[in-house]
Amino acid sequence: DADVTQTPRNRITKTGKRIMLECSQTKGHDRMYWYRQDPGLGLRLIYYSFDVKDINKGEISDGYSVSRQAQAKFSLSLESAIPNQTALYFCATSRGLNTGELFFGEGSRLTVL
Amino acid sequence: LAKTTQPISMDSYEGQEVNITCSHNNIATNDYITWYQQFPSQGPRFIIQGYKTKVTNEVASLFIPADRKSSTLSLPRVSLSDTAVYYCLVGSPDTGRRALTFGSGTRLQVQP
Repeated sequence: DADVTQTPRNRITKTGKRIMLECSQTKGHDRMYWYRQDPGLGLRLIYYSFDVKDINKGEISDGYSVSRQAQAKFSLSLESAIPNQTALYFCATSRGLNTGELFFGEGSRLTVL
Repeated sequence: LAKTTQPISMDSYEGQEVNITCSHNNIATNDYITWYQQFPSQGPRFIIQGYKTKVTNEVASLFIPADRKSSTLSLPRVSLSDTAVYYCLVGSPDTGRRALTFGSGTRLQVQP
């Protein structure tokens, strides 16, 4: 089983719908991240959380919200999806020392029509 | 956050050594340098990490000069399966609220 699990893996939705992407991890890491990747581009940070009570905006947080329900769970929500949020979304975790080793999930491909 | 600059793309042939350089001029004293590999539609995968001089593991070597303003990922004898995007990332032990931001990466294409 994967250490970092994302659900759903694929989702097609319509403009204006609310969407939640979920991430759970069994690595016991305190830090969790949500990234977005558009075709041919690098990863952009949406939100990150250093512990259950700590939530921070990344580069591109507009239009997104997150919830850290427990150490192992970090959800990303699109309150009202729009077509330019069509992308591949990755969840990642890291240990407390922020040295750069991230562990990624397999990604959630979201298409907004 | 330390900004990184990498070549957009590189081409190579099977069996050759590939060196990908990353520039990080404003690297901080406590920053580590980490490289990731990403295949299409998959999450990035950790390759190697270093702080200074040279680090080697079973898949790659990482060379970091004394001023640490750049680093070079060396892939020995590449194969077709090394075709991927490679990201250089700079981050540090936490002295405050920091997070890690990826650049655009280097797209490596290995030809037969």
